[in-house]
Amino acid sequence: ETGVTQSPTHLIKTRGQQVTLRCSSQSGHNTVSWYQQALGQGPQFIFQYYREEENGRGNFPPRFSGLQFPNYSSELNVNALELDDSALYLCASSLLARGTEAFFGQGTRLTVV
Amino acid sequence: GENVEQHPSTLSVQEGDSAVIKCTYSDSASNYFPWYKQELGKGPQLIIDIRSNVGEKKDQRIAVTLNKTAKHFSLHITETQPEDSAVYFCAASMEYGNKLVFGAGTILRVKS
Repeated sequence: ETGVTQSPTHLIKTRGQQVTLRCSSQSGHNTVSWYQQALGQGPQFIFQYYREEENGRGNFPPRFSGLQFPNYSSELNVNALELDDSALYLCASSLLARGTEAFFGQGTRLTVV
Repeated sequence: GENVEQHPSTLSVQEGDSAVIKCTYSDSASNYFPWYKQELGKGPQLIIDIRSNVGEKKDQRIAVTLNKTAKHFSLHITETQPEDSAVYFCAASMEYGNKLVFGAGTILRVKS
């Protein structure tokens, strides 16, 4: 087990709705990254948060947004859900300044209908 | 930006045989290359990684090699066991464990 926990584990939403996914990072880690993994594909980097600020973003539209809290936990928010947003959303934590490995949570399976 | 290609997409081996998965990357600035194992319904689990100042790294039955000139890196699993069956992903990064670019994955089936 990595110590990275995500909630909820599964979620079903309707197209056009908004969703919030949560992640608690591993103890001692100050950086949280979010990835989207479509079925049968590798994870794709959405964005990273370090010290409560966005620190890099992949090729995702602004309706994907996030937050990091003082305890380093994080939220991923997706507005105006589209069918193609159906995927496994993964959170990874690391320690940015020391160049450490990234450890992933078990993911949240989002289905948009 | 960085692009990582992974081959093969599926690999079937007999228990006890070796398995090799290969990846290529495009950006010479990448300096960190992890391998993850993902089982059904779970998140990716880091199994081994290598940094650009090292050519090879081994951990029991698993080894990774890196050829910076050719921009290739490979995962080698020896004496495969049924519990090695999973999807394996390679990745590359310019910032160690951050902003990883993943390959498309290899489904490894170990037949007993």
